Amino acid sequence: SYVLTQPPSVSVAPGQTARITCGGNNIGSKSVHWYQQKPGQAPVLVVYDDSDRPSGIPERFSGSNSGNTATLTISRVEAGDEADYYCQVWDSSSDHSGVFGGGTKLTVL
Amino acid sequence: QVQLVQSGAEVKKPGSSVKVSCKASGGTFSSYTISWVRQAPGQGLEWMGRIIPILGIANYAQKFQGRVTITADKSTSTAYMELSSLRSEDTAVYYCARGTVGRDGFEYFQHWGQGTLVTVSS
Repeated sequence: SYVLTQPPSVSVAPGQTARITCGGNNIGSKSVHWYQQKPGQAPVLVVYDDSDRPSGIPERFSGSNSGNTATLTISRVEAGDEADYYCQVWDSSSDHSGVFGGGTKLTVL
Repeated sequence: QVQLVQSGAEVKKPGSSVKVSCKASGGTFSSYTISWVRQAPGQGLEWMGRIIPILGIANYAQKFQGRVTITADKSTSTAYMELSSLRSEDTAVYYCARGTVGRDGFEYFQHWGQGTLVTVSS
């Protein structure tokens, strides 16, 4: 089955740029989607199809995907961005299933 | 707007089954898939399976094959997830999520239910 690898944690000072990576074999050939989850809440889609933003998501959130790594970039980080972030792809090779990364805790210092 | 409203929290005994519902509103129920995703306490998101309501066809993650059944009632725009042979490790929040087809032809999840806590305890 397809495996997505994320760093457990990323820390950044307010106003700086946070980059959260998602590694997978030839992930650049897949569409990668990113979710933000705050404690006690359902996940919220922040980036889809590698780099598109749903309406209502600030332009500070952006994404890229190439080779074996996809990246979620959050510019001008705010305290309210502190959350868990998950990447997601679809594995069409085995049991045709959704796959999530293990999640990254973003801490705003 | 699209809303997914799930049934309430459940407490179950080991070995029993649980059935969680997810009622959709705002949008054409049959035009999208519904996936179920769970999250154990302090853990990440885990995809369990999905159903295509218009076809009534479901597919499941290998891990849950034989233990999970996902169904949909088009007349009430409601999807269901039933998990059997419950054990303590199944204690988790269970989410339903509506699938939207992405650029690569596969799904992402823009709309989520509020989550249902299932506690398995003797």
